[in-house]
Amino acid sequence: QKEVEQNSGPLSVPEGAIASLNCTYSDRVSQSFFWYRQYSGKSPELIMSIYSNGDKEDGRFTAQLNKASQYVSLLIRDSQPSDSATYLCAVSKGGSEKLVFGKGTKLTVNP
Amino acid sequence: GAGVSQSPSNKVTEKGKDVELRCDPISGHTALYWYRQSLGQGLEFLIYFQGNSAPDKSGLPSDRFSAERTGGSVSTLTIQRTQQEDSAVYLCASSRIYTEAFFGQGTRLTVV
Repeated sequence: QKEVEQNSGPLSVPEGAIASLNCTYSDRVSQSFFWYRQYSGKSPELIMSIYSNGDKEDGRFTAQLNKASQYVSLLIRDSQPSDSATYLCAVSKGGSEKLVFGKGTKLTVNP
Repeated sequence: GAGVSQSPSNKVTEKGKDVELRCDPISGHTALYWYRQSLGQGLEFLIYFQGNSAPDKSGLPSDRFSAERTGGSVSTLTIQRTQQEDSAVYLCASSRIYTEAFFGQGTRLTVV
């Protein structure tokens, strides 16, 4: 099992819809979870962090964490064409706290 | 500076030459990462430094790759005897422990 797994996509949603991005991880003692957005030709940028079970909302973005199921997700409400990018899930590895990144999910929002 | 700084932004080198890539992390960040990203691909982990601990070198693809971090701050990634397959964007990131990592703008390496 990979340490951090994401569906590679591509995920395509119409403008205004909710985009749902999912991530599972293998290390049960992971404590820190992050979502990054990477536009083509650019570096990844942080959009959300979450440390405890439940939901965390920031504008149109909601991160959801379920440690029992080792699952973290990102919801993007009212998706815009400018949200089209690759979304990377990152999880801290127990012990070393090294961030491990998934391969990313490519999202396309169609006008 | 306020962010992670990488130099050079672009590097073109001839096959077989050695190259050095530099990363200046955010001040106070104890963790530093190097990643490689080929066109259209995901992040490939190379090496992780955390404080005074021994670096995690598990991602280095061959013994031609090495990295050091001097004084817990600046890091240099060295690629010896470059090959065409080394062409990629090399990204550096830094963080405080338990918190998010911030990325530099990357160095685009082209081996001709």
